Amino acid sequence: DVKVTQSSRYLVKRTGEKVFLECVQDMDHENMFWYRQDPGLGLRLIYFSYDVKMKEKGDIPEGYSVSREKKERFSLILESASTNQTSMYLCASKRDYGYTFGSGTRLTVV
Amino acid sequence: RKEVEQDPGPFNVPEGATVAFNCTYSNSASQSFFWYRQDCRKEPKLLMSVYSSGNEDGRFTAQLNRASQYISLLIRDSKLSDSATYLCVVGHNTDKLIFGTGTRLQVFP
Repeated sequence: DVKVTQSSRYLVKRTGEKVFLECVQDMDHENMFWYRQDPGLGLRLIYFSYDVKMKEKGDIPEGYSVSREKKERFSLILESASTNQTSMYLCASKRDYGYTFGSGTRLTVV
Repeated sequence: RKEVEQDPGPFNVPEGATVAFNCTYSNSASQSFFWYRQDCRKEPKLLMSVYSSGNEDGRFTAQLNRASQYISLLIRDSKLSDSATYLCVVGHNTDKLIFGTGTRLQVFP
């Protein structure tokens, strides 16, 4: 089974900090995705990547950037964290049908 | 208008009941369809893909109506363990998936 690992389950950061969320998958998948999930809004796509060093903006990229230096690792970066970025962040890797998600990082910005 | 719309529920049903969820999508070019299950404070997990011919997996049956742009999930003989949020998911010709906001199901004894 595909394993998608997110480095932190819970994070608390201060406003203005630079935040790195790491995601690693072990099945050599090319496609990886970052979503955030908020009550009443569902999952919203932030960024995705089809291959190493490639990235595409999703629906809500503002305030975020990504890095994909190796195929197995896709990092989400909050350049200057703000309180409205408090959310659950989910990384996913594409399988033959649908996605496999990591267990999520619950980020609180204070 | 959201691209994928679901009734948020909650649907409160007794054990053993049959319950059905519906979902509509707006993009007629959508090509792939799924139901995901998400337990409280956990990540979404693929429940089943949905095909035009309809498909069944044990107590779960999924149907797709392309003409009406409508997807359904039927759960028979509900168990307490079926309590979760069910996400309707639609894909286009890219690999991007669009998620509905989910329908919450609560099965009670």
